[in-house]
Amino acid sequence: QKEVEQNSGPLSVPEGAIASLNCTYSDRVSQSFFWYRQYSGKSPELIMSIYSNGDKEDGRFTAQLNKASQYVSLLIRDSQPSDSATYLCAVNKRAAGNKLTFGGGTRVLVKP
Amino acid sequence: GAVVSQHPSRVICKSGTSVKIECRSLDFQATTMFWYRQFPKQSLMLMATSNEGSKATYEQGVEKDKFLINHASLTLSTLTVTSAHPEDSSFYICSATPSNQPQHFGDGTRLSIL
Repeated sequence: QKEVEQNSGPLSVPEGAIASLNCTYSDRVSQSFFWYRQYSGKSPELIMSIYSNGDKEDGRFTAQLNKASQYVSLLIRDSQPSDSATYLCAVNKRAAGNKLTFGGGTRVLVKP
Repeated sequence: GAVVSQHPSRVICKSGTSVKIECRSLDFQATTMFWYRQFPKQSLMLMATSNEGSKATYEQGVEKDKFLINHASLTLSTLTVTSAHPEDSSFYICSATPSNQPQHFGDGTRLSIL
């Protein structure tokens, strides 16, 4: 079992719709959770960070964390073609310092 | 916001050449930096943790004599791919963590070994 798992996609959504991405992790001591967006040929850029159970909203993005079920999700509202990218889920454990473990990424395609 | 600069952005060279990649934190000090490698259509794989003033910590399966890391100052870490071969062709990305903030990534270096 991989430490951090994501559906590879592609997740195809029409413009204006909600894109829903899921991520599960195996280690219960994981403490910090991040979503990065990566355009083809570019390096990842941070979209959201979440540290406690519940929802966290930032603009069109909402991250949801459920530590009991060991999953973290990302919702993208009013999806735009510019949101087409690969979204990487990353997890950090306090014992690992600042080291992150990445999921395989979910490719999102927003169709006009 | 925190900025991590990586140079060069692209390298094309012959097999057997050694290639040095620099990673700089521009507006903060970084005692720790991370080096990743990403092959096409795959996720980031951590290669090593670069520690200022001490030896780097390599992940399992990464050859430390092949991938030399030097972190001589609080704002600069270098990765040298020694005697590079075509199988070393990849996208190399560094990151650093400002205090109490998530990792910020450099723009990456695309290495192509002919």
